[in-house]
Amino acid sequence: AQSVSQHNHHVILSEAASLELGCNYSYGGTVNLFWYVQYPGQHLQLLLKYFSGDPLVKGIKGFEAEFIKSKFSFNLRKPSVQWSDTAEYFCAVKRGSQGNLIFGKGTKLSVKP
Amino acid sequence: EPEVTQTPSHQVTQMGQEVILRCVPISNHLYFYWYRQILGQKVEFLVSFYNNEISEKSEIFDDQFSVERPDGSNFTLKIRSTKLEDSAMYFCASSEQSYGYTFGSGTRLTVV
Repeated sequence: AQSVSQHNHHVILSEAASLELGCNYSYGGTVNLFWYVQYPGQHLQLLLKYFSGDPLVKGIKGFEAEFIKSKFSFNLRKPSVQWSDTAEYFCAVKRGSQGNLIFGKGTKLSVKP
Repeated sequence: EPEVTQTPSHQVTQMGQEVILRCVPISNHLYFYWYRQILGQKVEFLVSFYNNEISEKSEIFDDQFSVERPDGSNFTLKIRSTKLEDSAMYFCASSEQSYGYTFGSGTRLTVV
């Protein structure tokens, strides 16, 4: 079945540790890729997106993601996390010309001060 | 920064009752969406709306759901006869083109 997979359900890190959250999708063809963040009690906010061009995408708050087409992956990275990065992170895929997003189940990140 | 506004933030309703969730998209946006997130589960697409009609809907969006843009500014989701399993956070989103979504802060629907 076509899906978006986020393999880590809950990640716990100390401040200044490096972060990598995995995202894999199973769609063929053209895709647009997104990472959203949801801070506690707040709405989904766009961190970064990939449509075309340079597969290394830089987003807000020091986050970046790399699109590896051969691996159907779009992993999110941050070199040094802060306590304020504690949130839930969602990978999402938009297939071709279709408008709706398909979300992964999310990864909860807890950063210990 | 323009926002998508959703009201109410929390609604409690009895099973079998009708509810209307309201959204005010960003004014120059043309595409509108509803998503939901059942507690502990992933965000799921419900429906997209463009040019005053539904452009796509998921299997979740059955006959008990409907959407409207009644007055050119509001975008509503109606659930005709709520079930316990409709309890979820419902997110509205809008976009200027078919990407670049802005999400609202959500309405938490609790069906009792």
